Amino acid sequence: DADVTQTPRNRITKTGKRIMLECSQTKGHDRMYWYRQDPGLGLRLIYYSFDVKDINKGEISDGYSVSRQAQAKFSLSLESAIPNQTALYFCATSGPLGEAGGPGSQETQYFGPGTRLLVL
Amino acid sequence: EDKVVQSPLSLVVHEGDTVTLNCSYEVTNFRSLLWYKQEKKAPTFLFMLTSSGIEKKSGRLSSILDKKELSSILNITATQTGDSAIYLCAVVSMDSSYKLIFGSGTRLLVRP
Repeated sequence: DADVTQTPRNRITKTGKRIMLECSQTKGHDRMYWYRQDPGLGLRLIYYSFDVKDINKGEISDGYSVSRQAQAKFSLSLESAIPNQTALYFCATSGPLGEAGGPGSQETQYFGPGTRLLVL
Repeated sequence: EDKVVQSPLSLVVHEGDTVTLNCSYEVTNFRSLLWYKQEKKAPTFLFMLTSSGIEKKSGRLSSILDKKELSSILNITATQTGDSAIYLCAVVSMDSSYKLIFGSGTRLLVRP
């Protein structure tokens, strides 16, 4: 079973609709992240959470909100979807502070399979 | 503003060729640089580099960091079609709560 799962995997919606993308992880990690990927722009951070009570904006948080329901669950919402939110969305997790470069290092992020979102 | 730039943007080679992918960065308080491989969907972790001059190696892939030049290279020898992917470089700054700052990636296509 995958350690980081995302639902749905694909979604088509219309402008103005509210949608939610969900992420679950079984890695036991505290830190969770939402990214979007657009062609030629790499991965850009939307929101991140270092524990259940900690939510932080990333570089492109406008138009998005998140909810950390539990250590293992982190949801991303588009309150009123618009076409330029069409993208591939990734959830990621990372573990506790450890020796730099080691598998438990905070920097090493593990990604879910992605959700492809199309806003018409 | 922290920035990560990768080159080339795309590359087409034939099986057996050796390729070198580049990553340069400008960040305050550099902590580490990571390489990821992205095939069909999720990026998968390849290497993390924190010290200059120490090569990390995994099979035909290797990577090295040059803190003086603020850059890293990822080498792939004897390329195979399965190496076709987008290779992402990301940098972590100690000022940014360990968030990853990604470059736009290099798209590698290995032809048979």
